[in-house]
Amino acid sequence: DTGVSQDPRHKITKRGQNVTFRCDPISEHNRLYWYRQTLGQGPEFLTYFQNEAQLEKSRLLSDRFSAERPKGSFSTLEIQRTEQGDSAMYLCASRSEGYEQYFGPGTRLTVT
Amino acid sequence: GDSVTQMEGPVTLSEEAFLTINCTYTATGYPSLFWYVQYPGEGLQLLLKATKADDKGSNKGFEATYRKETTSFHLEKGSVQVSDSAVYFCALGGINTNAGKSTFGDGTTLTVKP
Repeated sequence: DTGVSQDPRHKITKRGQNVTFRCDPISEHNRLYWYRQTLGQGPEFLTYFQNEAQLEKSRLLSDRFSAERPKGSFSTLEIQRTEQGDSAMYLCASRSEGYEQYFGPGTRLTVT
Repeated sequence: GDSVTQMEGPVTLSEEAFLTINCTYTATGYPSLFWYVQYPGEGLQLLLKATKADDKGSNKGFEATYRKETTSFHLEKGSVQVSDSAVYFCALGGINTNAGKSTFGDGTTLTVKP
């Protein structure tokens, strides 16, 4: 399977705990994106990388959120001190220059 | 900033009925336009796209035409099936913009009954 993969698919955590999600893009794609989707809404852009450089961050990405893409391959999204409002589906997408994005299956986070 | 407005759902149709889901957008420049489909518990799948004005995207019997004059990209299908039941998202951006990110509408839930 050469699609975008995300791990874990589901995460349940208690408020105040830290969580980390991983995204493995399609191997030849140099751009990688993170989105957040809450129930009944469309995905909202969080941040994106071109190779290992993080080029843009949304105002939605508070100080508790950090994303990395070491060596320009997989990416991680960490949320520190989780809050109930962080409960959402976190989607990763990747693309090559001049082509559309391909989305992964998402990680569903539930903060109790 | 960029925005996408979709027809509110849910939409319930009988099998073989005609489907239209309206989508209008506001954007600077010349974005590409997309329709994505999301099945329960899954990520987004690209259904079709159009990269410039008057382009028609089509896939699996679905069609949408990029109308710059009305800033619209309505999704249509002549005869829906039960298997088309899903949430449909209209989006812009993603190819020609520098960042390549997309702006999505809030989605329209389609239920097709046998």
